[in-house]
Amino acid sequence: SQKIEQNSEALNIQEGKTATLTCNYTNYSPAYLQWYRQDPGRGPVFLLLIRENEKEKRKERLKVTFDTTLKQSLFHITASQPADSATYLCALLMFSGGYNKLIFGAGTRLAVHP
Amino acid sequence: EAGVTQFPSHSVIEKGQTVTLRCDPISGHDNLYWYRRVMGKEIKFLLHFVKESKQDESGMPNNRFLAERTGGTYSTLKVQPAELEDSGVYFCASSQGGQNTIYFGEGSWLTVV
Repeated sequence: SQKIEQNSEALNIQEGKTATLTCNYTNYSPAYLQWYRQDPGRGPVFLLLIRENEKEKRKERLKVTFDTTLKQSLFHITASQPADSATYLCALLMFSGGYNKLIFGAGTRLAVHP
Repeated sequence: EAGVTQFPSHSVIEKGQTVTLRCDPISGHDNLYWYRRVMGKEIKFLLHFVKESKQDESGMPNNRFLAERTGGTYSTLKVQPAELEDSGVYFCASSQGGQNTIYFGEGSWLTVV
């Protein structure tokens, strides 16, 4: 079955630096890979989606890359701010029987220090 | 526009009791999903409705869990009887037909004691 690995250790960085989070998966590549943000006690919030035929996607300070050869996605936050501190979840959008479902990684906690 | 809303936000029940969680998806969203996160593990898929029909319930853990979606609008997830290992947070999510962006609710936090 498909498995997703995200760095379980928290990532601590200084404000203004670029945060880079890694998502690795096994088995076959999904059609889509998504990144979500989750704050304590809240639900996941959709950030970005990247398709298997896309190498890179950007949205404001966020950038996602998708390498189907390495079976890896990288998530970057440039000019990081303390408000970016949260858990970031990688999720594969898998199609099953014509309908889709998400398979989540455990998430990586990011802490941006002033 | 209202997002996905879930009720109750928190629930504490005794082992053996019944709990019913409710989810109101975003208006117009035909797809409704239930996910859950237990014991600090990753969020896992439970089932998927398209309108009132169950399309995929492969993630439902056992027959103590029953999900319904009356009239293709709101959905309920009933756990009967609840066991200790059912403790966790249950997320509902919805999406428009043909769209890949899935919107999550804030979750219903269930504690079974």
